[in-house]
Amino acid sequence: DAGITQSPRHKVTETGTPVTLRCHQTENHRYMYWYRQDPGHGLRLIHYSYGVKDTDKGEVSDGYSVSRSKTEDFLLTLESATSSQTSVYFCAISDRDTYEQYFGPGTRLTVT
Amino acid sequence: KNEVEQSPQNLTAQEGEFITINCSYSVGISALHWLQQHPGGGIVSLFMLSSGKKKHGRLIATINIQEKHSSLHITASHPRDSAVYICAVARGGSGSRLTFGEGTQLTVNP
Repeated sequence: DAGITQSPRHKVTETGTPVTLRCHQTENHRYMYWYRQDPGHGLRLIHYSYGVKDTDKGEVSDGYSVSRSKTEDFLLTLESATSSQTSVYFCAISDRDTYEQYFGPGTRLTVT
Repeated sequence: KNEVEQSPQNLTAQEGEFITINCSYSVGISALHWLQQHPGGGIVSLFMLSSGKKKHGRLIATINIQEKHSSLHITASHPRDSAVYICAVARGGSGSRLTFGEGTQLTVNP
């Protein structure tokens, strides 16, 4: 299995509070992604990174920001969490040469 | 209309049956992925293909680029195959961003 961890694995927070999710990889892969998974929508891309300090928006980026200061870490921040951001969040990595993606275990976030 | 459509949404089979899950897409792609999501939530990549056919154990994936269609077959299905199977397409260009289908829930009964 690819070395990808996500933290925390579960979090309950209140509306309006900031939340940061961390994705850590030990594979030295260039590309990292944050997805959310919701019933009826499948997986949707929030943000992705194609290198240190190089990030771009996905299809559902509103309300989210990201940072990548090191190859191994990709952070997803909800500046002011809303109930609509209750979801399961997956991080993924890929090696440009193969384009195959490897997924982290997911973080279940509940915003009350 | 979603760019990636899977059918069926739900599928129940008896152990030993041959299973087919279909994926149709409406955009140009560089590759198509099949993923498996276990009941516990973990997602595993099964196949990535851009033409023809790939086989791994009891799983076979095919793609027809002209018809914009792919199928995932499971031979001699087993209850441990019960999972959600997800089709995703890579549109090429920068990185390998994926667009996902909504998944097919497969249940294999003993």
